[in-house]
Amino acid sequence: DADVTQTPRNRITKTGKRIMLECSQTKGHDRMYWYRQDPGLGLRLIYYSFDVKDINKGEISDGYSVSRQAQAKFSLSLESAIPNQTALYFCATSGTVRYNEQFFGPGTRLTVL
Amino acid sequence: AQKVTQAQTEISVVEKEDVTLDCVYETRDTTYYLFWYKQPPSGELVFLIRRNSFDEQNEISGRYSWNFQKSTSSFNFTITASQVVDSAVYFCALTERSNAGNMLTFGGGTRLMVKP
Repeated sequence: DADVTQTPRNRITKTGKRIMLECSQTKGHDRMYWYRQDPGLGLRLIYYSFDVKDINKGEISDGYSVSRQAQAKFSLSLESAIPNQTALYFCATSGTVRYNEQFFGPGTRLTVL
Repeated sequence: AQKVTQAQTEISVVEKEDVTLDCVYETRDTTYYLFWYKQPPSGELVFLIRRNSFDEQNEISGRYSWNFQKSTSSFNFTITASQVVDSAVYFCALTERSNAGNMLTFGGGTRLMVKP
């Protein structure tokens, strides 16, 4: 089984809808991250969390919110989706030791019409 | 502020050719970490290597090798005797030790196409 899983893997939605992307991990890592990937721009950090009570904004947090329900679960929400949020979204985790080695989930491809 | 530039957006080679993917970075920190990730057509991100700023030794892993040069702020990746399975987008990334969130800053990626 994969160490970092994301659901759904693909989602098509309409402008204005609320969307939640979920991430679960079995690596026992404390640190979790949400990135989005756009063509030619690489990945950019949306939010990160170092533990259940610690949530921080990343480079591009506007229009997004997150919830860390448990050590193993980190959800990303788009309260009112817009077309320029169409992208590939990745969840990642890292441990406390070798903390900067991040392990990525398989990605969620989101299309907002 | 940290920045990573991958000037080559696409490279096309014929199988068995050697190919080098360039990565140039900017950082004000003296302690930082560099990474390469591979993204095959299936879309997942595969970790290839992590290098810290104090270790300038080049590394070889099978057909893969990495050349880290602090003097030119570069961390280039070479694939020797390329194979079709090497076709993917490759990302170089950087994080600074002083970065509280250990945010990875990615380059824009280089799409490598290896033709049979």
